[in-house]
Amino acid sequence: EAGVTQSPTHLIKTRGQQATLRCSPISGHTSVYWYQQALGLGLQFLLWYDEGEERNRGNFPPRFSGRQFPNYSSELNVNALELEDSALYLCASSWGERLPPYNEQFFGPGTRLTVL
Amino acid sequence: QKEVEQNSGPLSVPEGAIASLNCTYSDRGSQSFFWYRQYSGKSPELIMFIYSNGDKEDGRFTAQLNKASQYVSLLIRDSQPSDSATYLCAVTPLGNQGGKLIFGQGTELSVKP
Repeated sequence: EAGVTQSPTHLIKTRGQQATLRCSPISGHTSVYWYQQALGLGLQFLLWYDEGEERNRGNFPPRFSGRQFPNYSSELNVNALELEDSALYLCASSWGERLPPYNEQFFGPGTRLTVL
Repeated sequence: QKEVEQNSGPLSVPEGAIASLNCTYSDRGSQSFFWYRQYSGKSPELIMFIYSNGDKEDGRFTAQLNKASQYVSLLIRDSQPSDSATYLCAVTPLGNQGGKLIFGQGTELSVKP
């Protein structure tokens, strides 16, 4: 079974630009989650999409946005990039159930975003 | 108070010993508890989850949950150098915040040959 895939692996942008990150979930999973792992800050929840809808977002400004496509893949857009947006962006997927034991999240390899 | 707290370590144990990793959480309504392993430069890998009080064993790993005391632990028996990594505790909150995981800062484990 293929795991969660993300692209690109690395992305280098300059301040003020826009970045688009992509994620394909495990086959059969309908929920996609985005997390940011910045140095020294740990993993922070960004966004949760399920069945094409945004279900929840973390404490991030509106310039972080995304969407989920009919095939359940997702993209994360970051507008007006700032230096502190440099981080590893991780996508995870799950069956979409909120209750255990079907709410396990499996992570992709991540996209390393560097803002210069 | 942080929502999920872990000792940052590093926790150093000799090969073959039992490594004990602890995690406390502040939201009494938290429902599910996960342990992830993250090697340097890699993404988190799910080790196991637990959602009922008590112990859950999977191979060399045992997760323990005590909801009354709001702590969850992970025991690694017969520790191997390949177990050296950062271990992340994650919790799902109650109610309409369900879906997101709240992570601790992680405990760095070093297993010495």
